[in-house]
Amino acid sequence: DAGVIQSPRHEVTEMGQEVTLRCKPISGHNSLFWYRQTMMRGLELLIYFNNNVPIDDSGMPEDRFSAKMPNASFSTLKIQPSEPRDSAVYFCASTLASGRYITDTQYFGPGTRLTVL
Amino acid sequence: AQSVTQLGSHVSVSEGALVLLRCNYSSSVPPYLFWYVQYPNQGLQLLLKYTTGATLVKGINGFEAEFKKSETSFHLTKPSAHMSDAAEYFCAVTPQGGSEKLVFGKGTKLTVNP
Repeated sequence: DAGVIQSPRHEVTEMGQEVTLRCKPISGHNSLFWYRQTMMRGLELLIYFNNNVPIDDSGMPEDRFSAKMPNASFSTLKIQPSEPRDSAVYFCASTLASGRYITDTQYFGPGTRLTVL
Repeated sequence: AQSVTQLGSHVSVSEGALVLLRCNYSSSVPPYLFWYVQYPNQGLQLLLKYTTGATLVKGINGFEAEFKKSETSFHLTKPSAHMSDAAEYFCAVTPQGGSEKLVFGKGTKLTVNP
């Protein structure tokens, strides 16, 4: 298995631009998570999906952030407009959940390093 | 509500010395517990996990951890550090029986000196 795939690996953009991060989970997994990692705040859960449905988006910082999962093999995290404080590493992870409950390992992608100038 | 505390954001050991990374949790029910490792510029990968059964859990790369309910702890150990162990380590918890999300600690960065 190729594991969780994220693209791009690095993104540099200017303040105010739209940024779209992409994730392909492991085939057969039914839950997908978006995390943000910064030095100051550590690893934060932004949103997660179960069977393509958003279950909890309470970690999404503000309305500038949105996430979609149109099918079981693809998800996007969009920031519009982007701001310098959004600079971070964004991770996608997936797992096979029993119902809505997480009992097993989450597999992480390599991350997207976002820099907003 | 669950929470995870990792004592020490930075730990430094000599090559060949014992590695001890501390994790304490708070949970209203017995939890599932995980240790993840993050090497520089990579995503997190599972080191080991405790769900049920034997409280001493062995993971990859010679690491192990022991679930101590009375101490609400899940400390990570390795008898002899190797240079390749230098990484950041995260403890995570979810209530036994599952939860809709993991709660991660702040992480401990391990440095191994030659």
